[in-house]
Amino acid sequence: GAGVSQSPRYKVTKRGQDVALRCDPISGHVSLYWYRQALGQGPEFLTYFNYEAQQDKSGLPNDRFSAERPEGSISTLTIQRTEQRDSAMYRCASSSGQGISPLHFGNGTRLTVT
Amino acid sequence: AQSVTQLDSHVSVSEGTPVLLRCNYSSSYSPSLFWYVQHPNKGLQLLLKYTSAATLVKGINGFEAEFKKSETSFHLTKPSAHMSDAAEYFCVVSESHTGNQFYFGTGTSLTVIP
Repeated sequence: GAGVSQSPRYKVTKRGQDVALRCDPISGHVSLYWYRQALGQGPEFLTYFNYEAQQDKSGLPNDRFSAERPEGSISTLTIQRTEQRDSAMYRCASSSGQGISPLHFGNGTRLTVT
Repeated sequence: AQSVTQLDSHVSVSEGTPVLLRCNYSSSYSPSLFWYVQHPNKGLQLLLKYTSAATLVKGINGFEAEFKKSETSFHLTKPSAHMSDAAEYFCVVSESHTGNQFYFGTGTSLTVIP
């Protein structure tokens, strides 16, 4: 596609429910990243993939968070048993993976846990 | 280890005056450096990038940054601020040997006074 696409744009869920956030990267981009951004803060790294392989998941806050990219394209970030502290903007970015190519960000998913 | 320090959390300038947003990095290897801008309630947009070519990098909207290895700095400048420059700015460092991991600074909020 023309850019990184994230869905849904907004998600409101009740505490304890599971949510799945989707990211469709730029076509052909090898690397895909997930970040979380709280209001007034910078992006906080969660995890990233090269192709389908999860290279680094050290930023995932706890085992309720998981991510996959099974076919090396679309990725899903899943949060189980959501808590109010999970409320944030979740941003996905992709890069071509050739040398140091910049990140291209999607518009994010605003998650609100009530 | 890599890290990025943005020395000012807030910068305020008058319209038409120069802008200076400071960024220092620590890196054991030759880094790639980026500046991103985020306007209120918008996504992150790449302003410019340094990847070991010319040390003075020109970006969009009249912004420039100069890579100074001796000072481990990558400050962002613009000769004349415009009202539309009011936004949050993030300095980002990456090193290829870490598998294309990107590290964000905490951000600088730029206010432009009319």
